[in-house]
Amino acid sequence: AQRVTQPEKLLSVFKGAPVELKCNYSYSGSPELFWYVQYSRQRLQLLLRHISRESIKGFTADLNKGETSFHLKKPFAQEEDSAMYYCALRDRPRDNYGQNFVFGPGTRLSVLP
Amino acid sequence: DGGITQSPKYLFRKEGQNVTLSCEQNLNHDAMYWYRQDPGQGLRLIYYSQIVNDFQKGDIAEGYSVSREKKESFPLTVTSAQKNPTAFYLCASSMGKLEAFFGQGTRLTVV
Repeated sequence: AQRVTQPEKLLSVFKGAPVELKCNYSYSGSPELFWYVQYSRQRLQLLLRHISRESIKGFTADLNKGETSFHLKKPFAQEEDSAMYYCALRDRPRDNYGQNFVFGPGTRLSVLP
Repeated sequence: DGGITQSPKYLFRKEGQNVTLSCEQNLNHDAMYWYRQDPGQGLRLIYYSQIVNDFQKGDIAEGYSVSREKKESFPLTVTSAQKNPTAFYLCASSMGKLEAFFGQGTRLTVV
């Protein structure tokens, strides 16, 4: 079954320190991975997707098919990065007809001053 | 102002009553989804719909029902058969290869 795991429920780092939020997946086809972020009292929103290979708010993520990972990284954490982060996978369950998104359990990032 | 609107934001119901959560989108997206968000469990898929008058069960469909009579609307009914209905419910939509866009959520409390 398609699955996304995020081993850390809570990650605390100091401002200016590097941060890495881990994500591993299992998927039988060609995976498409996303990172979503949920700031306090705001809706869940897309942070970045692997096919864009972009850097958003200083965050990057590289898809490693060999290790089935899609870890989110930022070299210097800021206090405003404190939020809940979810890794997600696009699933196409019926021979490419239809799709849904499978989410990991989430990691709460706390950036301390 | 385009987006996904969920209403109400907070909902209280007595045990044993059915309750319907509203989700409307004006993004012209074909696909819509309902997720349940519980602490430590992330988002779990309840139902999803790719087109009007078609929907599929997700991982935790028991005790829930949906309809998709219009492209822009995908209401979720939490029935009395749902054993643990108190939760935060998120509606989302997507189109083609785009990511999923989410509503603000509805917090349902059953007393």
